[in-house]
Order: sequence, then structure tokens, then C-alpha cells
Amino acid sequence: QSALTQPPSVSAAPGQKVTISCSGSNSNIGNNYVSWYQHVPGKAPRVLIYDNNKRSSGVPDRFSASRSRTSATLDITGLQTGDEADYYCGTWDSSLRGWMFGGGTRLTVL
Amino acid sequence: QVQLQESGPGLAKPSQTLSLTCSVSGGSISSVIYFWSWIRQPAGKGLEWIGRINTSGSTNYNPSLKGRVSMSVDTSRNQFSLNLKTVTAADTAVYYCARYMERRGFDFWGQGTLVTVSS
Repeated sequence: QSALTQPPSVSAAPGQKVTISCSGSNSNIGNNYVSWYQHVPGKAPRVLIYDNNKRSSGVPDRFSASRSRTSATLDITGLQTGDEADYYCGTWDSSLRGWMFGGGTRLTVL
Repeated sequence: QVQLQESGPGLAKPSQTLSLTCSVSGGSISSVIYFWSWIRQPAGKGLEWIGRINTSGSTNYNPSLKGRVSMSVDTSRNQFSLNLKTVTAADTAVYYCARYMERRGFDFWGQGTLVTVSS
């Protein structure tokens, strides 16, 4: 069980918005940079967001993220069927001295 | 464009050592600003960080792997490697190599390679 907690799944219709949460603690999200990854099964994961809220090159501005204290959120607006994937938050944990991923959230675009 | 490619046996026997290599192209592995990492995903489960190494020899490993893991870098071949000892069926997974940079996260990934632990 990951120390970064994400909802197992979220869903919404095309064109709508979803928010994926990532809850941690002071030893990880509270004091380290968060990044978000999109993983389409069978493909390599792709970094969407780094440094808490910066979009990687080529990532549309429909994707945005924020961090507040010990939690982080990823927002996806204007949902498209191509957004269906697993989404993971990740950050360093200063107590464990290791990286951790959240458990992952499966996005379904209905 | 940096590219990473995993290679190694797709099958390992229980209690033996799993060994994988990641070849890096399109850029030098030698810059100390990068950490070269291994991540895995068992079927039906999430991503699990295994560990990382840089060319200064600095390493960090997932504590949950309890000393079974080691990594090395070969700058002459632009490659880095993973050894995971005493494997069990629970180590069956798709193994990814990736480049990590502070604040930027894992910015380049290999396509992944499936390793099955079975007798």
C-alpha cells in the first residue's frame, strides 16, 4: 500500500473535467516536488507535470496541477477519449530516502 | 532525443538473480545531474520504484526490496544495469528504466520489458 493515496478510479463524459487527488505527508509531498505521470497500458509512462505544476513539453494546457501542504491535485479539463489512462502522482520521501508513486488512478472517459 | 531501451532475459528462475541492462542513446549517461532509475509494474498493479544510480556512484534503493537490489553504471557503454537477487514470483513484472532529474521527475522512459519468474 502506497503512502501516497489516490482514488482508484475516476470517470467523466467527454468535454467535462476531472480532478485526481494525491494525499501524502510532510515527509513526501509536504517537502518535495511532485510530478504526475500518464500511463497508457502497453506503453511507456509519460511525465505530464513536474515541479508541482509545470507542464512537460507537448502537454496540452487542459492538464494542470497544484500542491497544497501535504496534498496534490491533477485537473484535466475538456476530456477526450484519448485521455483514458492510468495517472500516477510521485514524489521523493525524505524519511524513506526513496521515491514513491501513488497507487494510480484509472481515468475512464464515458 | 534521449532514448532508453531495456534488455535482458524475459525469464528468471525462483531464487536466482534477475539482471537487466538499460542502453541510453541520444545523450550521455555521464552527466551527474541525472539519476538513472528502475521502475516496475506487476500485472494489474501500480508503478513501483526500485532504485536509482548516478555516475558519481550515488545510489538509493527501495527499502522494501530489503537489500536484494544493486545497480551499476557503465559510462563507456552508456548503459546502466539492475541486479535483483533471490527472486520470487512476486518479482514478475514489466521493468522500466528511466532518467530522473531533480524537480523534473522521470522525463524519459524505456518501453519496458516483461520479466517472468517461474521454474
